Amino acid sequence: EDKVVQSPLSLVVHEGDTVTLNCSYEVTNFRSLLWYKQEKKAPTFLFMLTSSGIEKKSGRLSSILDKKELFSILNITATQTGDSAVYLCAVLNYGGATNKLIFGTGTLLAVQP
Amino acid sequence: DAGVIQSPRHEVTEMGQEVTLRCKPISGHNSLFWYRQTMMRGLELLIYFNNNVPIDDSGMPEDRFSAKMPNASFSTLKIQPSEPRDSAVYFCASSLAGRGSYNEQFFGPGTRLTVL
Repeated sequence: EDKVVQSPLSLVVHEGDTVTLNCSYEVTNFRSLLWYKQEKKAPTFLFMLTSSGIEKKSGRLSSILDKKELFSILNITATQTGDSAVYLCAVLNYGGATNKLIFGTGTLLAVQP
Repeated sequence: DAGVIQSPRHEVTEMGQEVTLRCKPISGHNSLFWYRQTMMRGLELLIYFNNNVPIDDSGMPEDRFSAKMPNASFSTLKIQPSEPRDSAVYFCASSLAGRGSYNEQFFGPGTRLTVL
């Protein structure tokens, strides 16, 4: 059965800290891994990673994929209270007629002032 | 563009009642996805459509759930009869799927369903 596992389940840090969120997966027909940020409403897209070892970066956020070990990390440096959210990892199962995202349960990040 | 539109935003109903959730995808998008999110199971894909045709409904929990997409600008997810364990946030998402490529899914604001 396809699965995506995220850790930790929740995390509390202080502003300015650096955090690392983990995502491991076992998915048939792996195509890409995606990270989303979910605040009070719908998930919003952060990154899509398809190749191993190539870091994607956007401001204080960065992410990398290891297709051999089947995991990805999302780093956030110099955290701010606005980074508080649930971070979702999803793997794209893509093959034939299939084109669907399989989500992990998320990591709840709380950044305290 | 207004983005993906879902209605209602909140729904409270009693066990046994029929519930219909509605979604209007982003204009021009050809793929539509229905998800359910709970604390226990996270975000789960229920069904998705490509060009109004259901492609994969393996995530639909049971026969009480059904989804339709009568045209490119409208889809419904129906639960009949509803049960308390159906309480969740239901998201609709749409994307412009290309042949051999993946394009970002844009999520609607969700419908929070409570079944008493």
